[in-house]
Amino acid sequence: DAKTTQPPSMDCAEGRAANLPCNHSTISGNEYVYWYRQIHSQGPQYIIHGLKNNETNEMASLIITEDRKSSTLILPHATLRDTAVYYCIVRGSISSGSARQLTFGSGTQLTVLP
Amino acid sequence: DAEITQSPRHKITETGRQVTLACHQTWNHNNMFWYRQDLGHGLRLIHYSYGVQDTNKGEVSDGYSVSRSNTEDLPLTLESAASSQTSVYFCASSGPSLEGAKNIQYFGAGTRLSVL
Repeated sequence: DAKTTQPPSMDCAEGRAANLPCNHSTISGNEYVYWYRQIHSQGPQYIIHGLKNNETNEMASLIITEDRKSSTLILPHATLRDTAVYYCIVRGSISSGSARQLTFGSGTQLTVLP
Repeated sequence: DAEITQSPRHKITETGRQVTLACHQTWNHNNMFWYRQDLGHGLRLIHYSYGVQDTNKGEVSDGYSVSRSNTEDLPLTLESAASSQTSVYFCASSGPSLEGAKNIQYFGAGTRLSVL
């Protein structure tokens, strides 16, 4: 699996866009980028995933660079409830059993400030 | 709505006792996972199952066991609880879906276990 690198912490003002970067320079062609978050004391929550095109859903947008070596998760209007640890995970497509596991790194602690 | 539930939410036990943590999902997902989370270690995979009667060891499986007798449940058993197993335990499940979406795991609220 491709290794990911995220900053340990970031701050964002409430109402502003939060842009969380992730480097995955060793990503291979069939690996997807997934983002999860974990609000304090809760279970992790899936946010969004993508392969090479930019993706958007009701929670966030995912921008993947053309060379796929990095990506950015964008929370367009951050609220205090978005304060959480955000995890960027790279996994291959499902062709073998092991691909169904997730490995969580240290993530980025996002703090949304009032 | 489909969901994944863990019970109990909090448990205090004594060293040497057998403890079972329950995980129940109503999505009919084939894949189920148990993680533990400790300060400084993040989430670590304990055991996982890809279907009924299938179980596999994860990164930190020593002292834990699981069994999968039906699709909905994957109970985690600590055979002889140790203080080092004091942690927060999360169960997750994932199911068949389009390519890429198969790695979407849905997590329970967690069980906080203290072994005294």
